[in-house]
Amino acid sequence: KNEVEQSPQNLTAQEGEFITINCSYSVGISALHWLQQHPGGGIVSLFMLSSGKKKHGRLIATINIQEKHSSLHITASHPRDSAVYICAVGLYNTDKLIFGTGTRLQVFP
Amino acid sequence: SAVISQKPSRDICQRGTSLTIQCQVDSQVTMMFWYRQQPGQSLTLIATANQGSEATYESGFVIDKFPISRPNLTFSTLTVSNLSPEDSSIYLCSVEDHGGANWETQYFGPGTRLLVL
Repeated sequence: KNEVEQSPQNLTAQEGEFITINCSYSVGISALHWLQQHPGGGIVSLFMLSSGKKKHGRLIATINIQEKHSSLHITASHPRDSAVYICAVGLYNTDKLIFGTGTRLQVFP
Repeated sequence: SAVISQKPSRDICQRGTSLTIQCQVDSQVTMMFWYRQQPGQSLTLIATANQGSEATYESGFVIDKFPISRPNLTFSTLTVSNLSPEDSSIYLCSVEDHGGANWETQYFGPGTRLLVL
């Protein structure tokens, strides 16, 4: 079993839909990261969370430390949101990240 | 924040040759990381590179195959040696930014897409 599990693996949506991507982990962490990877391979860091909830534009990320679970929400999705979204956890007391396998999102107009 | 550039952005290489990837950061950082992302897979940490010391390699990665240099606080190189088709991947450089108020985040370079024929 992977230490970081994401669901779903693939997701298609119509423009305007509300999207949720889930991440569960089984290790002790110092923080959880949500990353966005564009088709060319470049990665952008969206959020770093250690508790609660963060919002940036149409993106919302939440984390429940007790349940070892995080969600990334996209409101009013747009075709430009099409990308792979990766959950990564920072292992407690280290600088190392463990990555989920990613969720491939396609938003159609 | 940190802005990272990588060179080359992509390359096609013959098996048995080597490729050196450069990573340049616009600010001084202590820790730089090199990741590999094989097709359809998630990212895997190759090694951690601190300035002034030898890189620390993860299990399954060795210095002979992936020599790393870290000559200063803004630059690092990763060489992938004796290339084989299995080395075809995206290679990403990352840095950790310890910002104010005791928080940190990771920044990633744009990646180098390598195809080995």
